Amino acid sequence: QVQLQESGPGLVKPSETLSLTCTVSGGSIFTYYWSWIRQSPGKGLELIGYIYNSGSTNYNPSLKSRVTISVDTSKNQFSLRLSSVTAADTAVYYCAGRSIVAASFDYWGQGTLVTVSS
Amino acid sequence: QSALTQPASVSGSPGQSITISCTGTSSDVGSYNLVSWYQQYAGKAPKLMIYEVTKRPSGVSDRFSGSKSGNTASLTISGLQAEDEADYYCCSYAGSSTVFGGGTKLTVL
Repeated sequence: QVQLQESGPGLVKPSETLSLTCTVSGGSIFTYYWSWIRQSPGKGLELIGYIYNSGSTNYNPSLKSRVTISVDTSKNQFSLRLSSVTAADTAVYYCAGRSIVAASFDYWGQGTLVTVSS
Repeated sequence: QSALTQPASVSGSPGQSITISCTGTSSDVGSYNLVSWYQQYAGKAPKLMIYEVTKRPSGVSDRFSGSKSGNTASLTISGLQAEDEADYYCCSYAGSSTVFGGGTKLTVL
C-alpha cells in the first residue's frame, strides 16, 4: 500500500518561498504522477500541479509563474516550491499520487497546514 | 479553468438514496470519462470513492455509484448511513488541466 507523508515548515513569511517535501513509501515512485493539491481553510480543493518521474511537469495556470515541482527518485521524494507567498496561500497542502491512466488521485498524504504570516 | 459546479449541500435520512451532481462543460466532464469522486471527513485527507466515472476502488462500498450524462456527472449513495456524512468532491480531467468541484456537504438526518 502506497503511503505519502508531507514535511516542511508550517509557517512562512509573506513574500518568501514555501517549500514542502513528500516522501513516498510502499510503492514505486515510477508508477504515478506525483501531485500537490491545496485546500484553503473552509474551501475546496485546488490542484497545484504534478510531475512524472521523467521530470515532465504540469502546473495550474493560475500558479504557474510561482510554482516548481521536482522529484528525487533516489530518495522516493518529490517537492513543492511556491514563491512570493501571500496570506492567500495559507492552506492545507496535500501530496497525492495520480493515476496515469485514470487521472484520479488514488493516494493522499495526511496534509500539512502552511500558514503565511509575519 | 472554472471549477465544476456542485450543490453546496444535500441531506437524506438513513436508508434513503441521495445523488450529488457535478456539472462541467464540453471541455472537461463532457469530453472525458475521467471523472472521479472523493469523500472527505473534517480534518482528514480526501479518499478516492469513484474513478473513470463509474469504477469503485477496492474496499469502497457498492452503495456508492457514479454515472455521467453529457456535461454532468453524478454520485449516488444508496442505503444512506450515518458514516456517509462528509464532504464530497468531484474532479474531471480536462486535457491540459484538471478541475475540481466546489464540494458538497452531505448531512445524514
